[in-house]
Formats: sequence, structure tokens, C-alpha cells
Amino acid sequence: ELKVEQNPLFLSMQEGKNYTIYCNYSTTSDRLYWYRQDPGKSLESLFVLLSNGAVKQEGRLMASLDTKARLSTLHITAAVHDLSATYFCAVDWAGGTSYGKLTFGQGTILTVHP
Amino acid sequence: IAGITQAPTSQILAAGRRMTLRCTQDMRHNAMYWYRQDLGLGLRLIHYSNTAGTTGKGEVPDGYSVSRANTDDFPLTLASAVPSQTSVYFCASSSGSRPDTQYFGPGTRLTVL
Repeated sequence: ELKVEQNPLFLSMQEGKNYTIYCNYSTTSDRLYWYRQDPGKSLESLFVLLSNGAVKQEGRLMASLDTKARLSTLHITAAVHDLSATYFCAVDWAGGTSYGKLTFGQGTILTVHP
Repeated sequence: IAGITQAPTSQILAAGRRMTLRCTQDMRHNAMYWYRQDLGLGLRLIHYSNTAGTTGKGEVPDGYSVSRANTDDFPLTLASAVPSQTSVYFCASSSGSRPDTQYFGPGTRLTVL
């Protein structure tokens, strides 16, 4: 059974600071997704990481994947209030040429304070 | 606007009743999925469909059934609702090929009393 664990689960940050969210998973996979969810809303895709060493950046967020360590990170640079949300990582366990069987982490609730 | 619609937005249901949650996408995606979201547990896959006419079980399929008669629609049925099925239900779709990003609908909040 694939387990996906995020830490921390709660993160309170000051504006302007940097921090990293970690996503560990238990089974070999080279497909990992990061999503953002605002309160009461649906999930929005942030990043798709499909190979070892993949790094993607968008604005103040940067995601990376280390398949050997079974670890992905979501790094936040110079946080701003608009980044307050819940962030999920999800690992695809379908395997081979199939996709779409995602197991999600518990989510990290990020709050950015002035 | 292209996307996924779900109905109803929210529902309160008596235990033992039958309920169908509707999901429609207009992106011509091959694959569709149903998840439930519970506090502290993230999202868990209930059922999926890789293409019209086929379905499969996810992590938590018990008590739920699905059908995929065409590309656009993927209804989720609770044959006899129980309180533990109180949750927020999200439908998602994807192209079915790399990178296969899943796009999520707005969700249905279901309360079973």
C-alpha cells in the first residue's frame, strides 16, 4: 500500500520568509503532482514532476523530485499572504504507461502572516 | 467555459437512502475519477474510469458504484447511504496520457444523517 506523508501539516509563516514543505512516499514512483486548495474551493494543479531530478518553478513556488529518496519538496520563497492555502502532494501509483491512480498526502495548511 | 460540473453542490441525506452524485466534463478527457475528502486524510480515490465503458476500484470503493456510459458523464451512486459517507466529493478528469494532470470539479458536500 502506497503511503504519502507530508510535513509539516500546519505551517505559519511570516511574510518575506522562506520555507519548505516535504512530501515522502513509500513506493517507487516517478510521477508526483502538487495541488493547491483554497478554503471551500476545489483543487488547482500547481506542478507535475515526471522524472528524477525534475524541478519546476512558478513565481514564489519551486517543486523538486528525488525518486531515489522518494521525496518531493515544495519551496516557498519570500512568502506573501496570497500563498495562504492548503497544499497537497499526490503520487501516481498506476505504473507503466498507465496514469491517474493518485494517492494524496494529508495536506499542509499554510498561513502567511504580515 | 470548459471544465467539470458537479451536482448537487450540497445535499443532506437520510441514512439508508439512495443518492447519485453527477459529474460532467466538456474537455473530451478519456479518464475520470471520484475522490472523497475528509479532514486530515487528504483525498482518497473511490473509483476511476480510464475510458468510456470501463471502470475500476480505487482505495475506498465500498458502498459506492459508478458507470461510464459516455465520455462526458461519470455518476457516483451511493446505494444505501451511511453516516460515514459524510464527506466532500470531488470529481476529476484527465486526458489519460502523459503528463496526465487531473482537473477537479467544484465538489459536492454530502451529509448523511
